[in-house]
Amino acid sequence: AQSVAQPEDQVNVAEGNPLTVKCTYSVSGNPYLFWYVQYPNRGLQFLLKYITGDNLVKGSYGFEAEFNKSQTSFHLKKPSALVSDSALYFCAVRVLASGSARQLTFGSGTQLTVLP
Amino acid sequence: DAGITQSPRYKITETGRQVTLMCHQTWSHSYMFWYRQDLGHGLRLIYYSAAADITDKGEVPDGYVVSRSKTENFPLTLESATRSQTSVYFCASSEPGEYQETQYFGPGTRLLVL
Repeated sequence: AQSVAQPEDQVNVAEGNPLTVKCTYSVSGNPYLFWYVQYPNRGLQFLLKYITGDNLVKGSYGFEAEFNKSQTSFHLKKPSALVSDSALYFCAVRVLASGSARQLTFGSGTQLTVLP
Repeated sequence: DAGITQSPRYKITETGRQVTLMCHQTWSHSYMFWYRQDLGHGLRLIYYSAAADITDKGEVPDGYVVSRSKTENFPLTLESATRSQTSVYFCASSEPGEYQETQYFGPGTRLLVL
């Protein structure tokens, strides 16, 4: 079984400061890892993904995430937060395996608030 | 380019009634998914479909029925709605492939069961 943990329900950061939203995962096999963002009353929007290769993945809106296999983590980061980054962030995982169902398992979400 | 749309966006119904939520995508993606979003649970997979006429259960399928007669449509039916099915429902689609796999989500349907 695969699982994802987002240990922080809420993260507050001042505008201009760096932000980190944490994610750890548990899978049997090689993971595909994703970050999605949800703005109020909207669907989820894709931010970035790790499939293979470079452990540092760059995505939309200046976000990046670092895949750490030994720590089974995939933390989302941004060097300088904007008020407009305030949203609900979801980490998701699925296992890369031939024949496996393409199901994503989502974390419970982290509400990011960037304070002006 | 409409992408993926859901209807209705908001629905109020009563316990015991049948409700169908619609999902339509214009990309011809093979895979489609239904999730429900509840506070504290993130998104949980209800059903998914790998192609027309191929569907399978996800994590929380009880009380739901799906069909997929056409690639672009994936309706979700609550056969006899219960209060515990009050939730926000999201449809998603994706195209398999090593460097794809990204799921694209619709705007969601907010369902209230009284």
